[in-house]
Amino acid sequence: DTAVSQTPKYLVTQMGNDKSIKCEQNLGHDTMYWYKQDSKKFLKIMFSYNNKELIINETVPNRFSPKSPDKAHLNLHINSLELGDSAVYFCASSQTRFERDRGLDLLNEKLFFGSGTQLSVL
Amino acid sequence: EDQVTQSPEALRLQEGESSSLNCSYTVSGLRGLFWYRQDPGKGPEFLFTLYSAGEEKEKERLKATLTKKESFLHITAPKPEDSATYLCAVPRFGNEKLTFGTGTRLTIIP
Repeated sequence: DTAVSQTPKYLVTQMGNDKSIKCEQNLGHDTMYWYKQDSKKFLKIMFSYNNKELIINETVPNRFSPKSPDKAHLNLHINSLELGDSAVYFCASSQTRFERDRGLDLLNEKLFFGSGTQLSVL
Repeated sequence: EDQVTQSPEALRLQEGESSSLNCSYTVSGLRGLFWYRQDPGKGPEFLFTLYSAGEEKEKERLKATLTKKESFLHITAPKPEDSATYLCAVPRFGNEKLTFGTGTRLTIIP
């Protein structure tokens, strides 16, 4: 069983289109993430969700809209795709609890990543 | 701005040839540092967490060490299956986010 699975693996599309990437984790984790890895392998956080609630939005354009129907799923919808959106998108999860007065604490946590979705915008 | 820099960008070693990868950071009040391994076409996989200067962690042929300004990932007598990109990451903003380095792409030649 794959712990964190995301689909599709590859996504090739034209500029201006709308696309979605789905992610599911079967680890029972409370927190899920979307990361973007550019062509230089730089991995950057986009969003963090805890128990379906958005915790972190790392100044991502509002063309990107994550949705978490339940704590095991975190999908990413992208509107009006641009050439610069081409990258590998990784979903991840961790057993990190969120406390309103303390926020997320990743210090003692491992992140479990999916295998990535390679998005190519033509 | 907090920065995490890894060197070298790429490293090719003969099987059995030991070496070290470097991760240096400019993060005030560092509370920990993570190492991940990423195979081609896959997501990063957790290796180690180091919490304080002087700490060391080992796993098979890998040993990670931490000083106040940098971390090293030492690889001893590597095998071809150790070929991967190795990423380090530090927590920031009260540990809410991870800043990753750009990685070292390690290739072990049989």
